[in-house]
Amino acid sequence: QVQLQESGPGLVKPSETLSLTCTVSGDSISSYYWSWIRQPPGKGLEWIGYIYYSGSTNYNPSLKSRVTISLDTSRNQFSLKLNSVAAADTAVYYCAKGGGWWNYWGQGTLVTVSS
Amino acid sequence: QSALTQPRSVSGSPGQSVTISCTGTSSDVGGYNYVSWYQQHPGKAPKLMIYDVSNRPSGVPDRFSGSKSGNTASLTISGLQAEDEADYYCCSYAGSYTSYVFGTGTKVTVL
Repeated sequence: QVQLQESGPGLVKPSETLSLTCTVSGDSISSYYWSWIRQPPGKGLEWIGYIYYSGSTNYNPSLKSRVTISLDTSRNQFSLKLNSVAAADTAVYYCAKGGGWWNYWGQGTLVTVSS
Repeated sequence: QSALTQPRSVSGSPGQSVTISCTGTSSDVGGYNYVSWYQQHPGKAPKLMIYDVSNRPSGVPDRFSGSKSGNTASLTISGLQAEDEADYYCCSYAGSYTSYVFGTGTKVTVL
C-alpha cells in the first residue's frame, strides 16, 4: 500500500521560502513520477509540478520562476521549495504519485503565508 | 492558461444519474485524450475516479464513467448514492508548455 506524508512548517512569512517534504512508503521514488498540487482554502486545485525518478522536472509556467522540486532517494522523499511567497500562496499542499494523473495522495498540509 | 470550466453544482436524487461537464479548448481537452477526474470529500485529499478520459482505476465503482466529445469531457455518475455527494474536479493535459490544468470544480448534491 503506497502512502505519502507531507511535512514542513505551517506558517511562512511573506517573501520567504516555503519548504515541504513528502515521505513515501510502500513504493520506491526511484521509479515513476512524483508531483505537488495545491488548493487555496475554499478554492480549486492547482498543479505545481512533478519530478521524474531520473531527476527531470516539469513546472506550472505560472510558478516556474519560483519553484524547485527535488528527490532524496536515500530517504525515499521528494521536496518542494517555493520562493518569495505571498498571501496568495496560502493553500493546502498535496504530494501525489504520478505525472499526469494521480492515484495516491498525501493527506495534505496547510501552509499559511502571514507575518 | 485558464482553468477548465465546470458547472458550479449539480444535484440528483438517489438512484438517478448526473453528468458533470468539463469544457476546455483544442489546446487541452480537445487536443489530447488525457483527461482525469477526482472526487473530493470535505477535508480530504482528492481521489482518482477516471483517467485517460474513460478508464477507471481498480476499486472505483462502474457507476462512474467518463467520455469526451470535442473540447468537452464528461463524468457521469449512474445510480447516485449518498456517498457520492462531494466536489468533483477534472484535469487535462495542455501541452508541453502548460502541462496540466484543473477544472473549476463541481459540487454534487444528493437530494
